Amino acid sequence: DGGITQSPKYLFRKEGQNVTLSCEQNLNHDAMYWYRQDPGQGLRLIYYSQIVNDFQKGDIAEGYSVSREKKESFPLTVTSAQKNPTAFYLCASSRPGLAGGGETQYFGPGTRLLVL
Amino acid sequence: QQQVKQSPQSLIVQKGGISIINCAYENTAFDYFPWYQQFPGKGPALLIAIRPDVSEKKEGRFTISFNKSAKQFSLHIMDSQPGDSATYFCAARANFGNEKLTFGTGTRLTIIP
Repeated sequence: DGGITQSPKYLFRKEGQNVTLSCEQNLNHDAMYWYRQDPGQGLRLIYYSQIVNDFQKGDIAEGYSVSREKKESFPLTVTSAQKNPTAFYLCASSRPGLAGGGETQYFGPGTRLLVL
Repeated sequence: QQQVKQSPQSLIVQKGGISIINCAYENTAFDYFPWYQQFPGKGPALLIAIRPDVSEKKEGRFTISFNKSAKQFSLHIMDSQPGDSATYFCAARANFGNEKLTFGTGTRLTIIP
C-alpha cells in the first residue's frame, strides 16, 4: 500500500520546546516538501528536498529545520525560535518531472501542532 | 508576495448547480496549473491539472478553463453534489527544475440540497 505517512496526527508543544514531525513515503519519490497551512492563507512552503542529503529553504523557513538522510524520510523540527507554531503541517512528495513536464505532488494526512 | 490569487474565499452552490472558482497569476514562467481538493482534517489531493498549451481540460464533472493571455484559469464543477463540499486550492509551478508549487489561498465550497 503506497503512500505518505505522517505522525503523530496531533502534537502538543510546550513553550521553549523543540518538536519533530515525522514524514515517510514509500513511493520511491526523490523530492519531498513541508508545508504549513493556516486558515485563510493556503499552503506555504517551509522546506523542500530534491535529493537525499540536500534541501532548500522555502518561503517561511525561519524557526524550522529539516534533514534528509534517507530517500524515504524527511522529518521537520519545529524549534523554540518559531514563535507561532500552531498550524496544520503537511508533507508531500513528487517524482521530478522531465524537462517541460511536471509531476504531481502527493500529500500526507497532516499533523496538527498545538501549543500548550 | 502572493503570486496566485484565488477567488472567491467561500462559495455556496445549490445541488445540481455549477461551481466556479477563479485564479489569476503574474509569473509568466508558470507552466503547470493543478487544482487540489481538501476535505477537513485531510491532506490535499490532486483533482485535475492543465498546461498552457491547451485552453480547456475536462475530467468527468470537473473542467479547467485556461486563458493564457489574461493569465487566468478557473475550475468548473458541473452538477455539483454535496460530496463536492471541500476546500479547493489552485496552484502553479514554474519549470525551473525544482518542482515548487505556489498555492492560492483556497476556496471553501459548500453544496446545499
